[in-house]
Amino acid sequence: GAVVSQHPSWVICKSGTSVKIECRSLDFQATTMFWYRQFPKQSLMLMATSNEGSKATYEQGVEKDKFLINHASLTLSTLTVTSAHPEDSSFYICSARVLGELNNEQFFGPGTRLTVL
Amino acid sequence: GQNIDQPTEMTATEGAIVQINCTYQTSGFNGLFWYQQHAGEAPTFLSYNVLDGLEEKGRFSSFLSRSKGYSYLLLKELQMKDSASYLCAVRDDAYSGAGSYQLTFGKGTKLSVIP
Repeated sequence: GAVVSQHPSWVICKSGTSVKIECRSLDFQATTMFWYRQFPKQSLMLMATSNEGSKATYEQGVEKDKFLINHASLTLSTLTVTSAHPEDSSFYICSARVLGELNNEQFFGPGTRLTVL
Repeated sequence: GQNIDQPTEMTATEGAIVQINCTYQTSGFNGLFWYQQHAGEAPTFLSYNVLDGLEEKGRFSSFLSRSKGYSYLLLKELQMKDSASYLCAVRDDAYSGAGSYQLTFGKGTKLSVIP
């Protein structure tokens, strides 16, 4: 099956700093990548939809100036959490849709656990 | 809007059969997915239904009734490793560009398999 990687797998940072998370589709091209956030014992919440070469579409309540998304190529999307605060501590997961895949299945990365001190 | 309901927790015995239900009320519908998620890990795909009926895949089966807004995931011959959260997700029909749709997830059902 299609493989999606994320880097880093975990990160601890100080409040006020910025953190970049990379999401890569390793063996396929992904026109669209999705970024999710999951707090403990909560479900996945879609943050934004990222289309290659265009601006990301953010869900209601997600600050686009705080969560910067760049989808520079068909295999790479990045999420930058700017001026991170403790309430941003969460599990961030990306997924990618396989180009041309009929059922539009999304393949998930392994997630990045962010802890802001 | 989207509303997806599934039980919070279930417990079943190793070797048994368990059915996890999911009901949804969505503004649009373009498929329903089931995912398995172990604690601290990302979800993995289990099944996909877009037409009414049963889809079988080894020990796992998924059923969909679009008219009732209802799906279930059936796990047979339960194994200890099946202890995980099972997420029901509905894909809406709002086209977000470049042939993509969005998934809305239920809160997940935590399944505990006991000896």
